[in-house]
Amino acid sequence: EVQLLDSGGGLVQPGGSLRLSCAASGFTFSTYAMTWVRQAPGKGLECVSFVSNSGGTTYYADSVRGRFTISRDNSKNTVYLQMNSLRAEDTAVYYCAQLRFGYWGQGTLVTVSP
Amino acid sequence: QSALTQPASVSGSPGQSITISCTGTSNDIGILNYVSWFQQHPGKAPKVMIYEVSNRPSGISDRFSGSKSGNTASLTISGLQAEDEADYYCSSYTISSTYVFGTGTKVTVL
Repeated sequence: EVQLLDSGGGLVQPGGSLRLSCAASGFTFSTYAMTWVRQAPGKGLECVSFVSNSGGTTYYADSVRGRFTISRDNSKNTVYLQMNSLRAEDTAVYYCAQLRFGYWGQGTLVTVSP
Repeated sequence: QSALTQPASVSGSPGQSITISCTGTSNDIGILNYVSWFQQHPGKAPKVMIYEVSNRPSGISDRFSGSKSGNTASLTISGLQAEDEADYYCSSYTISSTYVFGTGTKVTVL
């Protein structure tokens, strides 16, 4: 059974940092690209960041480029999202996903507020 | 990366069929058959209903079907049921080596 377990969310002040993690199991992790997707309250889905299977190619949405860093450790079947200089508009549920076949984590809530 | 275009809402009566469109460009939907459809109920994580344009994961009802023509993908729900009421999103791989989502469609069962 495929499982993606997101963790690391929480309440943080503007300008603060958080590191999200996503532990994968049930598929050959090193074969597939991974994506972090977020959903702000009452809004749609937004691809925040993408990393290729090897980690050699990354992508960032304009709204987070320069502040967020995606990485992966294929030996641990885990993908990370380091989020720095957080803003109120980063408040959302963050999901890790393997979008080739549509696998999703349960989501972790990030709230940026004074 | 611009979002794929979906109708904001689609409705139908129980037993009817509805189709949701998802329009992109030759930089996303048009280039590869990596189009997926997700169903999302309030407060829940998205759930894949279709992947690679027309493939249904194990456990997904055959009332759900997907297709693609040019730069537009479609999701058809046949025999509409009350439990199908949800938000639906399409996604596609892109020429920028990432994924883009649709704007989302709220399906209402009358």
